[in-house]
Amino acid sequence: QVQLVQSGAEVKEPGASVKVSCKAFRYTYSSYYMHWVRQAPGQGLEWMGIINPEDGSTTYSQKFQGRITMTWDMSTSTVYLELSSLGAHDTAVYYCAPSAVPANPLEHWGPGTLVTVSS
Amino acid sequence: QSALTQPASVSGSPGQSITISCIGTSDNVGGYRSVSWFQHHPGKAPKLVIFEAKKRPSGVSDRFSGSKSGNTAYLTISGLQAEDEADYYCCSYAGSNTLVFGGGTKVTVV
Repeated sequence: QVQLVQSGAEVKEPGASVKVSCKAFRYTYSSYYMHWVRQAPGQGLEWMGIINPEDGSTTYSQKFQGRITMTWDMSTSTVYLELSSLGAHDTAVYYCAPSAVPANPLEHWGPGTLVTVSS
Repeated sequence: QSALTQPASVSGSPGQSITISCIGTSDNVGGYRSVSWFQHHPGKAPKLVIFEAKKRPSGVSDRFSGSKSGNTAYLTISGLQAEDEADYYCCSYAGSNTLVFGGGTKVTVV
């Protein structure tokens, strides 16, 4: 059974940065892409971007360009999402979801990481 | 990229069928077969119920069906049950390794 483990909840002040991690266990494919999707309170799901751990290449939603970074730690097979210049509007649950290729359906999702931005 | 357009809410009685639309463009829904639908209960991770517009993952009830015509995708839930009450999101591949979601539809079983 595929398992995705994400880091715990975070509370950050406005203007700070947050780094959320995601690690996949027992995923069918040895090589895969990782998407990040978020949901703010009362809002819908929002695609943030994708990373190819094979080469570290990334594609980000234009909405987050300039303040989003996705990285891959080969030694621990862990993917990271870093979002900077946080504002109250970034308060959300952040999900990771792997796919063999970018267009494949998101069949497995992490449990989500709640990030709260508050002074 | 702009979100796909879904109705904010749809309701139905137990046993009835409902259909949710997802309107996109030729740059997403109309241009690719990779259209998915997710069921999302508050506090839980989204669950894939339809992929490639009309295919059902293993373990998903056959009461869920999907279709696509041009730039619009549809999710139909037949034999509506109380447990189907949730938010539903469409999602389409939009080229260049990007995805786009719909705004979500709240399904209420009345």
